[in-house]
Amino acid sequence: EPEVTQTPSHQVTQMGQEVILRCVPISNHLYFYWYRQILGQKVEFLVSFYNNEISEKSEIFDDQFSVERPDGSNFTLKIRSTKLEDSAMYFCASSGDRDGDEQFFGPGTRLTVL
Amino acid sequence: LAKTTQPISMDSYEGQEVNITCSHNNIATNDYITWYQQFPSQGPRFIIQGYKTKVTNEVASLFIPADRKSSTLSLPRVSLSDTAVYYCLVGYGQNFVFGPGTRLSVLP
Repeated sequence: EPEVTQTPSHQVTQMGQEVILRCVPISNHLYFYWYRQILGQKVEFLVSFYNNEISEKSEIFDDQFSVERPDGSNFTLKIRSTKLEDSAMYFCASSGDRDGDEQFFGPGTRLTVL
Repeated sequence: LAKTTQPISMDSYEGQEVNITCSHNNIATNDYITWYQQFPSQGPRFIIQGYKTKVTNEVASLFIPADRKSSTLSLPRVSLSDTAVYYCLVGYGQNFVFGPGTRLSVLP
């Protein structure tokens, strides 16, 4: 069964450093998403991406965040200058080519900012 | 954007039917309702999705009243392995809002 994969599984960084979280969506999917989940809290939408551009973003997704699909298979989330409050699980998801299609989530990357 | 509410937690016993309701009062016309299950340190896992009325698959049913301002996930006969957090997700296209999650504890 196809699945979304994410690397690394755990990333530790110093405050102010840049991090790049990587995702490989399911190969025939066209919509891609990033979510985050602070420990003990609900999953929060960050951004959606379609046709090589951002479709929607939440107020959490400010100028320190960016997304990219550099090579047709990877989908990345960059945090330019990490803050302590960026510590969370970051989930990538992808969905197929029709509205209302279910999203498949990856296993997540745990980001710890020290 | 839709705002969603769910009960924080529920307890049940093995073999019972469990119904978890999500309220989404300002759901938009095009929004779908999707339910996910999440185990600790894992990504959400799809359970079921619907737009209106009733949807059933091999693991659950989803009931959506005509006004679509709420939805109820029904798990027919829960087992210990169904202990998890259950989220409703409301959205359409590229814009989505998760509910706060319901922590279901299944007791022997």
